[in-house]
Amino acid sequence: DAGVIQSPRHEVTEMGQEVTLRCKPISGHNSLFWYRQTMMRGLELLIYFNNNVPIDDSGMPEDRFSAKMPNASFSTLKIQPSEPRDSAVYFCASSKTGDFGTDTQYFGPGTRLTVL
Amino acid sequence: DAKTTQPNSMESNEEEPVHLPCNHSTISGTDYIHWYRQLPSQGPEYVIHGLTSNVNNRMASLAIAEDRKSSTLILHRATLRDAAVYYCILRDTGGSTLGRLYFGRGTQLTVWP
Repeated sequence: DAGVIQSPRHEVTEMGQEVTLRCKPISGHNSLFWYRQTMMRGLELLIYFNNNVPIDDSGMPEDRFSAKMPNASFSTLKIQPSEPRDSAVYFCASSKTGDFGTDTQYFGPGTRLTVL
Repeated sequence: DAKTTQPNSMESNEEEPVHLPCNHSTISGTDYIHWYRQLPSQGPEYVIHGLTSNVNNRMASLAIAEDRKSSTLILHRATLRDAAVYYCILRDTGGSTLGRLYFGRGTQLTVWP
């Protein structure tokens, strides 16, 4: 299996531009998670989907952030407009959820976003 | 999810066992104990999980205290590749936080050759 695939791996953009991060979960997994990691705040969950439906988006920082999962094999995280404080590594993870206490999340390699 | 407390950093020599502690004094009866680790410049990866009994897998062992207020991740023979940040996480099996992983700061493990 190819694992969780994220693109791009690195993104440098200027303040005010739209940024779209992409994620392909592991085939057969029905839950997908978006995380953000910074030195200041560590790893924090932004949003997660179960069976393509957003379940908890309380971690999304503000309206500039939006996430979609149009089908079981693809998700996007969009930032519009981007700001320098959005600079971070963004991870996507997926799991095959039966029992949330025991399921394992598999993380992608991350997208390093730099907003100038 | 209940909170966990871990030391900020630990060191070990290669080929020696490593015991990484985690305190979770407010754990509830339905909380599973999960461990993940994050190698440099990579996403976190699952290590092991347990509920009450000690657990072993190819990567590590998990020793859980009888009162479940603490646990220890055991790497039997540390290698240079084990140098990473190790996260101890409690996961509830239900409720409004269903599915969430709360990553604290973790323990930075340094392995010396």
